[in-house]
Amino acid sequence: AQKITQTQPGMFVQEKEAVTLDCTYDTSDQSYGLFWYKQPSSGEMIFLIYQGSYDEQNATEGRYSLNFQKARKSANLVISASQLGDSAMYFCAMREGDTGTASKLTFGTGTRLQVTL
Amino acid sequence: DGGITQSPKYLFRKEGQNVTLSCEQNLNHDAMYWYRQDPGQGLRLIYYSQIVNDFQKGDIAEGYSVSREKKESFPLTVTSAQKNPTAFYLCASSLRVRIHTEAFFGQGTRLTVV
Repeated sequence: AQKITQTQPGMFVQEKEAVTLDCTYDTSDQSYGLFWYKQPSSGEMIFLIYQGSYDEQNATEGRYSLNFQKARKSANLVISASQLGDSAMYFCAMREGDTGTASKLTFGTGTRLQVTL
Repeated sequence: DGGITQSPKYLFRKEGQNVTLSCEQNLNHDAMYWYRQDPGQGLRLIYYSQIVNDFQKGDIAEGYSVSREKKESFPLTVTSAQKNPTAFYLCASSLRVRIHTEAFFGQGTRLTVV
């Protein structure tokens, strides 16, 4: 079974609009962390935002916010006021921690976001 | 500047040859990782290391080998046993291995086997 599922292979959004990128996860651990990364065409992976399983509030980081719905096991990324520079691949990832180690960072297949004028 | 350096950026090799990808970090991070990225498949974990002289297989370790003799370095060897080695390889590191620690990535190495 997939640990991280991103069901949107590609998304389009107009400049200055908000966009939501979906991520659902599968874990039986109570303690885990969720991450979003951005990958521009250059290939590097840029960390955007983090949400812990015990965090009561949704994480926010500038124009990025994470819509965390624990019961639904979803951690959607919301980008507000999209900019042309936001065009990139976006990956959701998870660390699971109940086993005493959080070694593995597992990624989804990504969503390609294209921002248009 | 602190960061992760992968070299080379592009690598071409003939089929049947072993090749080693370099990954160096000066962030004083304990943990290091190697991922493989293929189109439409996201990042898949090859090997990871939590401390020096210790490493574990990830989800797709067959045909790969690593070493961790120094904290700063985590080279990946793609052996001739790897059936489809052409891919984009990303190295990462994290300060600790905790659920809240993000990983920092290098620029990647694009390996093409002909």
